[in-house]
Amino acid sequence: DQQVKQNSPSLSVQEGRISILNCDYTNSMFDYFLWYKKYPAEGPTFLISISSIKDKNEDGRFTVFLNKSAKHLSLHIVPSQPGDSAVYFCAARDSGGGADGLTFGKGTHLIIQP
Amino acid sequence: EPEVTQTPSHQVTQMGQEVILRCVPISNHLYFYWYRQILGQKVEFLVSFYNNEISEKSEIFDDQFSVERPDGSNFTLKIRSTKLEDSAMYFCASNVQGAVNQPQHFGDGTRLSIL
Repeated sequence: DQQVKQNSPSLSVQEGRISILNCDYTNSMFDYFLWYKKYPAEGPTFLISISSIKDKNEDGRFTVFLNKSAKHLSLHIVPSQPGDSAVYFCAARDSGGGADGLTFGKGTHLIIQP
Repeated sequence: EPEVTQTPSHQVTQMGQEVILRCVPISNHLYFYWYRQILGQKVEFLVSFYNNEISEKSEIFDDQFSVERPDGSNFTLKIRSTKLEDSAMYFCASNVQGAVNQPQHFGDGTRLSIL
């Protein structure tokens, strides 16, 4: 039962262009969404998040968009840099709140081409 | 910047043996978590811990698993009798406040290999 889906296992983007990573979810009780970046042999590193009461959150080169009616979110990276090459995980938290664990997608491997 | 630290980075254990994975969460964080990632699969939630007790656990977290905060800094995951399918990366995470929109911060993981 995949409550959080990242349908693109990999994405290749040229350096300097925009990278768009997509994520879909099925659980309407999710109220907080996060993007994590992961390099090999390291743990997931928090990148950016968005609450369900917003539709956009921006932090430097990273912007997350949330479309609640479509149960879809996306991460935009612009401009893309070689150091952005990593696996990106979309994660969500149930509005049951408290100490609920995160539900992760399978990840998208982003490759930035020079 | 403060970070979550996990030891050991790699643990090799014979099937049926007990193993303890250790974590030192970020010092002012109050909520602690364990996740695992089997090779090629997604990161899966195991358990959350607050105020010296389990807050939530997933179906994966069965009777062979236990967690403990033995002192003011360490947070441990014990697997009582390991099975081959327990081989995975185990990630510890911590959070300032679970109910508020604050991100969980992850350690670099322990790779557990069951032989």
